[in-house]
Amino acid sequence: DTGVSQNPRHKITKRGQNVTFRCDPISEHNRLYWYRQTLGQGPEFLTYFQNEAQLEKSRLLSDRFSAERPKGSFSTLEIQRTEQGDSAMYLCASSLGQGTSTDTQYFGPGTRLTVL
Amino acid sequence: AQKITQTQPGMFVQEKEAVTLDCTYDTSDPSYGLFWYKQPSSGEMIFLIYQGSYDQQNATEGRYSLNFQKARKSANLVISASQLGDSAMYFCAMRNGGSNYKLTFGKGTLLTVNP
Repeated sequence: DTGVSQNPRHKITKRGQNVTFRCDPISEHNRLYWYRQTLGQGPEFLTYFQNEAQLEKSRLLSDRFSAERPKGSFSTLEIQRTEQGDSAMYLCASSLGQGTSTDTQYFGPGTRLTVL
Repeated sequence: AQKITQTQPGMFVQEKEAVTLDCTYDTSDPSYGLFWYKQPSSGEMIFLIYQGSYDQQNATEGRYSLNFQKARKSANLVISASQLGDSAMYFCAMRNGGSNYKLTFGKGTLLTVNP
């Protein structure tokens, strides 16, 4: 049984560069979520997919951010023209999508982004 | 808007003793779910326990139990017989029934288990 996987685990980039992260959810999980966690804070919701449809985006997700989930499988999160304020842990989670509050989200190990 | 408050930035406990981590929440939605996650230094969020707003009994999962006091809007996590491996950040989170996708997290409590 494989859990949620994320690649890369660490990414160091220079300001202004583009970066892309990948998330592979637990198989058969219909819902996929992206969160961002900065130092000393809890994770903050960024966006959410039901199968391939992106159904919600937080105001935290500026125009420089884009997420996709082609064919309802893996997802990618791209940040264009990175800024130092983008430095954070980016967490991906998936859930079955039971449609109730019991729908537990299972998280991946995260991608830690450092923008120099 | 929903809000989670964890007032204990850090807690210490002796190995084999019990510890309670506090969590209060605020929501106007009568249907909601409360979650606790553990985050070791490696970074992965590990699901521990869930409590639904309509559940009549407090949730339990092994050494973890949730002290749910609905009128006080509190959902404290109790860890019994602490182990060294319990040292980690612990996050309380909530999801409203109306927006059954987004989790709102507190700032977390850093638990240190002393030998």
